This record gives sequence, C-alpha cells and structure tokens, in this order.
Amino acid sequence: QIVLTQSPAIMSASPGEKVTLTCSASSSVSSSYLYWYQQKPGSSPKLWIYSTSNLASGVPARFSGSGSGTSYSLTISSMEAEDAASYFCHQWSSYPPTFGGGTKLEIK
Amino acid sequence: QVQLKESGPGLVAPSQSLSITCTVSGFSLTSYGVSWVRQPPGKGLEWLGVIWGDGSTNYHSALISRLSISKDNSKSQVFLKLNSLQTDDTATYYCAKLTGTRYFDVWGAGTTVTVSS
Repeated sequence: QIVLTQSPAIMSASPGEKVTLTCSASSSVSSSYLYWYQQKPGSSPKLWIYSTSNLASGVPARFSGSGSGTSYSLTISSMEAEDAASYFCHQWSSYPPTFGGGTKLEIK
Repeated sequence: QVQLKESGPGLVAPSQSLSITCTVSGFSLTSYGVSWVRQPPGKGLEWLGVIWGDGSTNYHSALISRLSISKDNSKSQVFLKLNSLQTDDTATYYCAKLTGTRYFDVWGAGTTVTVSS
C-alpha cells in the first residue's frame, strides 16, 4: 500500500504567516487522486482540496494545493485563526486508499 | 441537502461483533458509493471499505476476514459489520459519500465505538 507521510506533525503559525504542509508518498500518486481534508476537534473531516489543487466549496482562496508524483503540499498564504485544525492528505490512486498521519496546525 | 448519519452500539465486548448503520439522505445509494473510515482516539484515519452503487464491495486487506458491508437501497441505509472485535478496534467510525473521482465529499458525524469488557 502507498504510505503517506505528512510533515510537520505539529506546527504553530502566527496570524498573517505563510504556512506550507507537505505530504510525501512512498510510491507515485496520480495527482487526480490526491486530496486534503480539514478536521477540527470533535468534528468529522471536511473535504478541503480535491485532485491536488482544486478547492472544495467554501474553502477560502488563501488556501492552495500543488504537487505531483510523490510530493504534494497544501499552502496557506496568510494564516488566520479559523485555519487552526488538523489536515490530512489522502490518496485513492491505488488500493487500499490511504491517509497521511495528519498535521496539527495551531495558531500562535 | 446531502446528509449521512451513523448509529452504533457505543460499547462492545471483546470478541463480539460490531454493527453500525449509516442512514443517508439527499442522494441515491444506487448512484453513489459509500465508504467506512475509522479514527482511533487521537490518531489518524483508516479506510475500511466501500460499497458501490451497483452493490459491489472492496475491503481493506487487513480486515477482509472480519468485515462485511451491505446496504438497503430502498431504506437508504448502509451497514457495517465487523467481527471478533479487539481493543484496537476502539475508534470513531464514519461513513462518507464518494464522488465519481473517489474522494469523500460529505461525511457523517461519526459514531464512537469502545471495545471493553
């Protein structure tokens, strides 16, 4: 199975700071099948970015996604308090579908 | 409005079976797949399996001997059954609707299952 490794596991950012979260795959993932979810404590995950770079409905434009092959990233151009959450990358390029371990993003 | 809602037993004894129902609204189970995903306390997400619109299923290879997913299209319900539970099956279990390009666009709120005697 494809192992997705996210880094960092935990990070904190100040309001207005640029933030980049990375997701590294053990084998190549088709960019069409790489996704990101946001999860806040006590809530279920929410689709955030699909097919590497497409923002889900309602996701602020300060978010962006990029990558290809084995390296993907989620970037926040200017951190806001409401962005504090855990972010999980997910692939369904091959079976079984797998998730990264997540990055917990905190506000300073 | 698309919604999914899980209902489960809460507490299950070790070696017993777990049954969870996912009741959906706002879409047809004949047109979309539904997956089960679980999350142990404080940990990441694990995909368990999927039932497609045509009723076919795929399971995680690590669970294939213990897991069964079925559905009743007329009742808009999807069922998960997991046998021989152990303590590491303790988790929040989510059902999630799949899009045609294999991502989860809507999730249920989840149901917490604790395996304990």
